[in-house]
Amino acid sequence: IVLTQSPATLSLSLGGRATLSCRASQSVSTYIAWYQQRPGQAPRLLIYDASTRATGVPARFSGSGSGTDFTLTISSLEPEDFAVYYCQQRFNWPSTFGPGTKVDV
Amino acid sequence: EVQLVESGGGLVQPEGSLRLSCAASGFTLSSYAMTWVRQAPGKGLEWLAYTSSSGRTTYYADSVRGRFTVSRDNAKNSVYLQMNSLRVEDTAVYFCARDGEVSSDYWGQGTLVTVAS
Repeated sequence: IVLTQSPATLSLSLGGRATLSCRASQSVSTYIAWYQQRPGQAPRLLIYDASTRATGVPARFSGSGSGTDFTLTISSLEPEDFAVYYCQQRFNWPSTFGPGTKVDV
Repeated sequence: EVQLVESGGGLVQPEGSLRLSCAASGFTLSSYAMTWVRQAPGKGLEWLAYTSSSGRTTYYADSVRGRFTVSRDNAKNSVYLQMNSLRVEDTAVYFCARDGEVSSDYWGQGTLVTVAS
């Protein structure tokens, strides 16, 4: 299953709203996770099962979608949110990641 | 506190072998599936391999199937990635991660593997 993420880069200001898209080449039900990766760090789980926030993830992060189209929304960007975001499908094996969306200032 | 620490990376020649280790602490390893993911320099994440909690079930990415083998020793709280027939394009940071049902919830900091002559 191929995941496509758009846009490749999203340039926004502090306090802005970020809307990131992830599209699957076939239906993955809700078996989508979203990860944040800051430079030099390991990925961090944000959202699983398309819309469930992981433990400790702020409420400004939300996920939605099912089937082939998914969205990660950051309601009001904080300085630590400028990073790369990846979606991952766990509907079938092999699991795959999207190419990522970079959110920068 | 959940911790995952990868080790075993380094410089290896093409066609060489390397064995990565992932030491787990802060949770009961035998209750969790585990995953390996890599990231080439300046590139995105690539899922590589999965092992069920018992180790009886494994899955691999097409790019490494037949060359890489994931294994685990729950008694030693460790997961391994045996990498054979290494190629230049296998150069990457390799992460191990703990698996939930539909995601990887804890990640190590990674170990760098460089394949070059």
